[in-house]
Amino acid sequence: GAVVSQHPSWVICKSGTSVKIECRSLDFQATTMFWYRQFPKQSLMLMATSNEGSKATYEQGVEKDKFLINHASLTLSTLTVTSAHPEDSSFYICSALISGGNTEAFFGQGTRLTVV
Amino acid sequence: AQTVTQSQPEMSVQEAETVTLSCTYDTSESDYYLFWYKQPPSRQMILVIRQEAYKQQNATENRFSVNFQKAAKSFSLKISDSQLGDAAMYFCAYRDIYNQGGKLIFGQGTELSVKP
Repeated sequence: GAVVSQHPSWVICKSGTSVKIECRSLDFQATTMFWYRQFPKQSLMLMATSNEGSKATYEQGVEKDKFLINHASLTLSTLTVTSAHPEDSSFYICSALISGGNTEAFFGQGTRLTVV
Repeated sequence: AQTVTQSQPEMSVQEAETVTLSCTYDTSESDYYLFWYKQPPSRQMILVIRQEAYKQQNATENRFSVNFQKAAKSFSLKISDSQLGDAAMYFCAYRDIYNQGGKLIFGQGTELSVKP
């Protein structure tokens, strides 16, 4: 099956610094990738849709200047949390769709971000 | 806007028994996909089963089957012969075929515990 690799798996950063999370499709091309945020015992909340070569589409209420998304190639999307604060601590998950309209989304293993 | 509702925050089943997880959704579309995802303690999202709305036949994957009632907008998951490894969070998800850019809309989740 298709594999999506997300890196790092966990990260601790100081308040005010920026953190970059990578999402790579290892064995397929992904025109579209998605970024989710998940709090403990809660569902996945879609933050933004990332399309290769164009600007990301953010969901209502998500600060695009705080959560910078770049999808520069068909196999890589990055999420940068800028000027992180403790309230940004969460579990972030990416998923990818195989270019061509496959029905299934493939998920990365997630990144646990802790801001201290 | 489409919504997905899982009304059972927690469910419990005895090992080897059968359990049914409920899911309802709301959409004005006639063509879409429905999914059940499993999220074990590792938090890796795993696709359990998929149903295309245009198919009348209920999807089945080994011990997992669905009861898809399109008119009632209901999509329940039945797990037969429950195993300890089935313990996890289960999310019901909806995806438009033609609109919304392929994004998944998740329900709130049901935490399933399996008693030995």
